[in-house]
Amino acid sequence: ETGVTQSPTHLIKTRGQQVTLRCSSQSGHNTVSWYQQALGQGPQFIFQYYREEENGRGNFPPRFSGLQFPNYSSELNVNALELDDSALYLCASSPGSGTGIYEQYFGPGTRLTVT
Amino acid sequence: QKEVEQNSGPLSVPEGAIASLNCTYSDRGSQSFFWYRQYSGKSPELIMSIYSNGDKEDGRFTAQLNKASQYVSLLIRDSQPSDSATYLCAVKSSYDKVIFGPGTSLSVIP
Repeated sequence: ETGVTQSPTHLIKTRGQQVTLRCSSQSGHNTVSWYQQALGQGPQFIFQYYREEENGRGNFPPRFSGLQFPNYSSELNVNALELDDSALYLCASSPGSGTGIYEQYFGPGTRLTVT
Repeated sequence: QKEVEQNSGPLSVPEGAIASLNCTYSDRGSQSFFWYRQYSGKSPELIMSIYSNGDKEDGRFTAQLNKASQYVSLLIRDSQPSDSATYLCAVKSSYDKVIFGPGTSLSVIP
């Protein structure tokens, strides 16, 4: 167990809807990263938050957005869901920026299915 | 050119053998490198991190880093069936993002 939790575990949505995924980081970790992992592929970097500010983003459209809260928990929001958004969404926390320690610890993931 | 590349596999080794997993990366400014193990249906689990050129050993696992060649590898000695999983190489880029490779599927045959 990494101490990183995610909710919900599974989610089924319809194309065009909006979804919010949640993550609680490991105690003492101030950096949270979100990844999308399609079946059979490696995790794709969506974005990273450090002390409530986005400080890195991958090649994902603006309909993927996020937040980090003062307790370092985080949300991933996806608007206008598309079928290709069906994937495992992973949250990872790390001691991160400012510490020189970049090991990331993953939560169990949220399996999103878009129909 | 993809940022992090790995042999897709699957790689099959007999129980007790050494499994060798390879990874190359494109960003010369990268300074931190990680190996994760992912069992089917589970999230990635950190095995090792390596920051300096050379070898780093942890139990049956050895990570090797060669920054000049932009190459990272993971050796698993005395492979066990429980080592059967997908192994992900991850690199912290000079832009402070951690980028993952596509993973190599390892199967250890009893």
